[in-house]
Amino acid sequence: KAGVTQTPRYLIKTRGQQVTLSCSPISGHRSVSWYQQTPGQGLQFLFEYFSETQRNKGNFPGRFSGRQFSNSRSEMNVSTLELGDSALYLCASSLSPQGANNEQFFGPGTRLTVL
Amino acid sequence: AQSVTQLGSHVSVSEGALVLLRCNYSSSVPPYLFWYVQYPNQGLQLLLKYTSAATLVKGINGFEAEFKKSETSFHLTKPSAHMSDAAEYFCAVTTGGGNKLTFGTGTQLKVEL
Repeated sequence: KAGVTQTPRYLIKTRGQQVTLSCSPISGHRSVSWYQQTPGQGLQFLFEYFSETQRNKGNFPGRFSGRQFSNSRSEMNVSTLELGDSALYLCASSLSPQGANNEQFFGPGTRLTVL
Repeated sequence: AQSVTQLGSHVSVSEGALVLLRCNYSSSVPPYLFWYVQYPNQGLQLLLKYTSAATLVKGINGFEAEFKKSETSFHLTKPSAHMSDAAEYFCAVTTGGGNKLTFGTGTQLKVEL
């Protein structure tokens, strides 16, 4: 079974630009969550989607947005990039949004560098 | 609101020695607790999780953790370290089994010969 796929793996942008990152969950998984990882702030939850609906949102500005398609694939978008947006963006998928037996599987991440 | 605190951003052990990585949590409701490992340039891999069943949880690669409510702790241990255990380890918490994880700041484990 293929794991979580994130594309692209590496990305370089300049300040003010926008970027779209893609995540393909494990087949059959309907929940997708996004996390930002930086040396200064660590791992922080961005948002979660389930059945094309946003279920949870972290404490990030409106420049960060996401969506989920009917095939459960998800994209996140960051507009008006700032230097501080440089980070590893991780996507995780799971069968459902919650439950004792629920487990999230993480992708390898997209490394975004903002110059 | 929930949170986790990992004591020690860097831990160094000798190969074959005991590994002990500390995690304390704060949660107003019964928590679900997790330990993840991250190797360089990779995503996170789940080592083990506590979901209010047995307090001693066994995970992959010989790791285990014990949930101690009185101490609000969930420390990760492994009896004998291997070179391949060198990585960064994250403790995380969520409530109600949801997917919104709150992570600790991570502990970099170094294993020396």
